[in-house]
Amino acid sequence: GQNIDQPTEMTATEGAIVQINCTYQTSGFNGLFWYQQHAGEAPTFLSYNVLDGLEEKGRFSSFLSRSKGYSYLLLKELQMKDSASYLCAVREHTDKLIFGTGTRLQVFP
Amino acid sequence: DAGVIQSPRHEVTEMGQEVTLRCKPISGHDYLFWYRQTMMRGLELLIYFNNNVPIDDSGMPEDRFSAKMPNASFSTLKIQPSEPRDSAVYFCASSPTRNGNTIYFGEGSWLTVV
Repeated sequence: GQNIDQPTEMTATEGAIVQINCTYQTSGFNGLFWYQQHAGEAPTFLSYNVLDGLEEKGRFSSFLSRSKGYSYLLLKELQMKDSASYLCAVREHTDKLIFGTGTRLQVFP
Repeated sequence: DAGVIQSPRHEVTEMGQEVTLRCKPISGHDYLFWYRQTMMRGLELLIYFNNNVPIDDSGMPEDRFSAKMPNASFSTLKIQPSEPRDSAVYFCASSPTRNGNTIYFGEGSWLTVV
């Protein structure tokens, strides 16, 4: 079956670093995605990993270990506008993109 | 580029009524996805199409739900009859290619069934 796990909520302070973990068990694997979703809005694409290792994109980085079924999203120099839900999603071989339930991040001043 | 366009943005309807949600994918995208999002269950894949053909509808909750894609630029998700538990945000998304590195979401249709 399919299972994608993320923490439900996290809090952090402005300027700090936060790591959001995601573990997955799916019937196939063709890439892992991170999306950001602000309240009342659509998810927007943040990052994509298909090979093991770290992908860096400005203040955001994403890491993947396929053998461990594990990924994390690293957010540096947190800003208030980073308060949002962060969704981990896995693309199976069938092209289905399956989402976790998301991690709600609150950034405090 | 216009992005994925959904309508209506908000709908409030009475239990038992038919609801039709509409989606126009980004031009040239081969894949179209319908998702439903609730607080309890998160973002669930209902059905997806490739080149207008339904590929996997295993996420459609029951026979009250149906989806069509008559051409490359239009898709509908229909609920008949609607029930209060169908209240959710319904997102349409499209993707340009197989193994493409992202899908693009529309703004969502916020459905409330009373």
